[in-house]
Amino acid sequence: ETGVTQTPRHLVMGMTNKKSLKCEQHLGHNAMYWYKQSAKKPLELMFVYNFKEQTENNSVPSRFSPECPNSSHLFLHLHTLQPEDSALYLCASSLLQGTYNSPLHFGNGTRLTVT
Amino acid sequence: RKEVEQDPGPFNVPEGATVAFNCTYSNSASQSFFWYRQDCRKEPKLLMSVYSSGNEDGRFTAQLNRASQYISLLIRDSKLSDSATYLCVVPERTGTASKLTFGTGTRLQVTL
Repeated sequence: ETGVTQTPRHLVMGMTNKKSLKCEQHLGHNAMYWYKQSAKKPLELMFVYNFKEQTENNSVPSRFSPECPNSSHLFLHLHTLQPEDSALYLCASSLLQGTYNSPLHFGNGTRLTVT
Repeated sequence: RKEVEQDPGPFNVPEGATVAFNCTYSNSASQSFFWYRQDCRKEPKLLMSVYSSGNEDGRFTAQLNRASQYISLLIRDSKLSDSATYLCVVPERTGTASKLTFGTGTRLQVTL
């Protein structure tokens, strides 16, 4: 059983839709992350929040908008996506950001298809 | 050199075999590393952390060679359940934060 829960597991949306991905962690961690995993590519870091403050935006297009209301919850708001945005979106958390002995714990991901 | 590089495989090995994967990294300042395991259509899960020269956990041994800038993962007595993609992860400090860079992963298929 994962301590990081993501919903929905699967999402199909049109290019003009607005949807949100939700992530919740029950591990008492202080850092939360969004990653994108496309076929045959390494995981790409999108956003990092440390103690609710955004510390990293890895040149992500503005059609992806993160929100972190508290250390346990993370959202990714989606708007006007493109077909190439279809991928597995993974949320992760770690105790702290910036310490070497603080590995990531991943949620089971949202498989997104943009039509 | 890519930041983190792995042979994508697949490595096809019979049950009981010993198999090793390498991962090379470009940032010589990196001090610790992780191996994650990812099953098909599932999330990555932490397998091992490597902080000094190496780490051993049962059938799994991770070694670090700082001079040549590579990490290896050795799996002894392979089981069918070891079939998965193994991701090498290198934390790199950027100012006060650290950024984790993932390799593309090495796929292992253990067969009867």
